[in-house]
Amino acid sequence: GNSVTQMEGPVTLSEEAFLTINCTYTATGYPSLFWYVQYPGEGLQLLLKATKADDKGSNKGFEATYRKETTSFHLEKGSVQVSDSAVYFCALSDGGRNDMRFGAGTRLTVKP
Amino acid sequence: GAGVSQSPRYKVAKRGQDVALRCDPISGHVSLFWYQQALGQGPEFLTYFQNEAQLDKSGLPSDRFFAERPEGSVSTLKIQRTQQEDSAVYLCASSLVGGASSYNEQFFGPGTRLTVL
Repeated sequence: GNSVTQMEGPVTLSEEAFLTINCTYTATGYPSLFWYVQYPGEGLQLLLKATKADDKGSNKGFEATYRKETTSFHLEKGSVQVSDSAVYFCALSDGGRNDMRFGAGTRLTVKP
Repeated sequence: GAGVSQSPRYKVAKRGQDVALRCDPISGHVSLFWYQQALGQGPEFLTYFQNEAQLDKSGLPSDRFFAERPEGSVSTLKIQRTQQEDSAVYLCASSLVGGASSYNEQFFGPGTRLTVL
């Protein structure tokens, strides 16, 4: 079945450091891929998405490229800020199903 | 505008009690999803409604779990005879149109944290 594996955390970085959070997936079809972010005390928010191979999703300085050959969708940001501290979830949806599959989440803490 | 709201935000139940968790989706959203998020894990799908119709309940872990959306708006997730393994955060999400496609962003509520003692 469909599944998502993401880099275990927690991840602690200094402000302005480069961020990579790895995500790989297993899917039988051609899924769409997402990154969600959960700030403390808030609900999950969509950060970015990509719907087909080689698509790049980007938002708020974050970006991720849908790599079909490596079944990956790694999240990157060139210079993190303290306000980026949150839990990040990689997810996929298969258009033929109603459920969205999530990874276990990666907690990011950015220190000033 | 108002987002998805859930109540209560926290619920403590004794083992064996019944609980009811409420979700108020964004007004006009057709689809409503329930997820269960165990500590340190990602959300796992429970069930899906399109308007008042429950189209998918494949993720409900047992027949103690029951969900309804009688008027196609507010939804209630009910857990009967709660067990300790039911302790989790229960998330509700709504989306404007049907299904979980890439063109159909899901908006999540803050969740209800259920602790079963």
